[in-house]
Amino acid sequence: DIQLTQSPSFLSASVGDRVTITCRASQGIGSYLAWYQHKPGKAPKLLISTAFHLESGVPSRFSGSGSGTEFTLTISGLQPEDFATYYCQQLNDYPLVAFGQGTKVEVK
Amino acid sequence: QEQLMQSGAEVKKPGASVKVSCKASGFTFGITVTNFYFHWVRQAPGQGLEWMGVIMPDGGFTSYAQRVQDRLILTRDKLTSTFYMELSSLKSEDTAIYFCARGPPAVSGEGFDLWGQGTLVSVSS
Repeated sequence: DIQLTQSPSFLSASVGDRVTITCRASQGIGSYLAWYQHKPGKAPKLLISTAFHLESGVPSRFSGSGSGTEFTLTISGLQPEDFATYYCQQLNDYPLVAFGQGTKVEVK
Repeated sequence: QEQLMQSGAEVKKPGASVKVSCKASGFTFGITVTNFYFHWVRQAPGQGLEWMGVIMPDGGFTSYAQRVQDRLILTRDKLTSTFYMELSSLKSEDTAIYFCARGPPAVSGEGFDLWGQGTLVSVSS
């Protein structure tokens, strides 16, 4: 099974900060990676597919990069509504998938 | 408007079973429910997202995560576009919010673009 490891697990940041979250896969997955934002009491929201494709309606301050085994999610200019937990998801074995353990972005 | 509507919260005792439904509606003409895989994901208190399994409406293909494969059954009713997740032999660690989600019809790198609102399942004696 392909394992995903996100770092950091927790991140304290302020409004306006540039935030970077890393997701590492235990083996190469090409660009078969998605990123989600999850807030308590809500359904997860798809932000990025195929490692870098921004979903419709997602603000351009979100961006994704990487391929193979290392991927990043960057938020350029953190906004108050961005405090949430972020997950990466590997889709290389689709329809079997797996999520990273999550990165919680908290107010500094 | 495309949506996945899940059934309400459940409270169960250890050893019991629970069945959660997820009704798909509003899909664009020509793009039917059978074009997609439908997945189930859960989040236990203080934990991350855990993928549980997947069903393909057309043909009924299913696949389950190893951790729950002995206790999980996914089914669908094509006539009503409703999907069901049944988890048996419930344990306290099955207490979680359960989500259904729509995934692409093939390997593409696209994520789950439509989610149900979530169903809280509480397991307690």
